[in-house]
Amino acid sequence: DAGITQSPRHKVTETGTPVTLRCHQTENHRYMYWYRQDPGHGLRLIHYSYGVKDTDKGEVSDGYSVSRSKTEDFLLTLESATSSQTSVYFCAISEFQGENEKLFFGSGTQLSVL
Amino acid sequence: GENVEQHPSTLSVQEGDSAVIKCTYSDSASNYFPWYKQELGKRPQLIIDIRSNVGEKKDQRIAVTLNKTAKHFSLHITETQPEDSAVYFCAANKGANSKLTFGKGITLSVRP
Repeated sequence: DAGITQSPRHKVTETGTPVTLRCHQTENHRYMYWYRQDPGHGLRLIHYSYGVKDTDKGEVSDGYSVSRSKTEDFLLTLESATSSQTSVYFCAISEFQGENEKLFFGSGTQLSVL
Repeated sequence: GENVEQHPSTLSVQEGDSAVIKCTYSDSASNYFPWYKQELGKRPQLIIDIRSNVGEKKDQRIAVTLNKTAKHFSLHITETQPEDSAVYFCAANKGANSKLTFGKGITLSVRP
């Protein structure tokens, strides 16, 4: 599992509440990612990080923020959750083999916003 | 940016038959094409990948072929088994400093 742990595994929350998802890795990987997975949309990149305090936006970043204060932890925050953010969220790390970037995913967090 | 499309969205085959899943990409600069498999309720996992300087790559029952001229690549699964039933995602990128763009996924069902 490439030493990736996501928490919580399941979360139910109400519209308008803040939510933070945590991704923890134990193998000192530099690159970390947050994706969301929705039927008919596949995997879409929300934010990514290439080091402590270095983050950037992906294709669906609106409504989300991230923080990486330590190499091992990458946090995804929904400042004010909406029903459209109901989804499965996957964290990933990458390993490079030459120029090939191989992603390894966590187990996912099922988030339901009511 | 890159656009990766997968067709069809679902595929059903008889156990023992072969399955072919196709993807097209839009950016001719893309040079790395991985395939991820996601079983029901599980995480996506890399199963095979190919770079643009290689036309075909095999690993036991799976293979990937790349046609750079037509900008499409395909996953081939031979002698399909029930455990091959999953969602398969293709992806593409332009190298180490670009991010992977995923297709929407194809659901493969292998009928016993």
